[in-house]
Amino acid sequence: DQQVKQNSPSLSVQEGRISILNCDYTNSMFDYFLWYKKYPAEGPTFLISISSIKDKNEDGRFTVFLNKSAKHLSLHIVPSQPGDSAVYFCAASSWNSGNTPLVFGKGTRLSVIA
Amino acid sequence: SQTIHQWPATLVQPVGSPLSLECTVEGTSNPNLYWYRQAAGRGLQLLFYSVGIGQISSEVPQNLSASRPQDRQFILSSKKLLLSDSGFYLCAWSRAGTGNQPQHFGDGTRLSIL
Repeated sequence: DQQVKQNSPSLSVQEGRISILNCDYTNSMFDYFLWYKKYPAEGPTFLISISSIKDKNEDGRFTVFLNKSAKHLSLHIVPSQPGDSAVYFCAASSWNSGNTPLVFGKGTRLSVIA
Repeated sequence: SQTIHQWPATLVQPVGSPLSLECTVEGTSNPNLYWYRQAAGRGLQLLFYSVGIGQISSEVPQNLSASRPQDRQFILSSKKLLLSDSGFYLCAWSRAGTGNQPQHFGDGTRLSIL
């Protein structure tokens, strides 16, 4: 039972354009959502998060949007840069249930083409 | 600032041999600690997490075990490795306490079983 789904295994975007990475979840108890970026042979790096009381959070070139009714979140990267090429993981947790670990999606490989 | 250390970075072990991977966190007290595995082409699978010394929760039945002998030390072990134990193992920490907190990952250990 996959509670966090990233249905696009890969995405290619031209440098300077917008990258949009999508994530769907099934557990309505999730109230905290995160995006991580991962380079090969390294651990994931935390990028940005959003709690369920918000529908948007912005940090520089990165913006996360949350649509609770659709159980959907997305990460927008504008403008995309070649250094953004990596695997992006969406993750979710439910704080209301205590120190619950994050549930991760399977990741989307982003390639930014110069 | 907080740092997380994992070692070794790579490990090649024969089937049936024991395993010990170590993870330590610096710059924080009483962190939540986690072990994940990323199998080839797959997402991050939570193996174990710990909210305190001697407190270990196992997420999936498996050939591995975890221990937390000290506040900031988390060890992943096996008595007899299987071929299916190959993968990329990641340790992570997060702050305990109230509110949603991101997890922060180490650089991982690439484990190859021959």
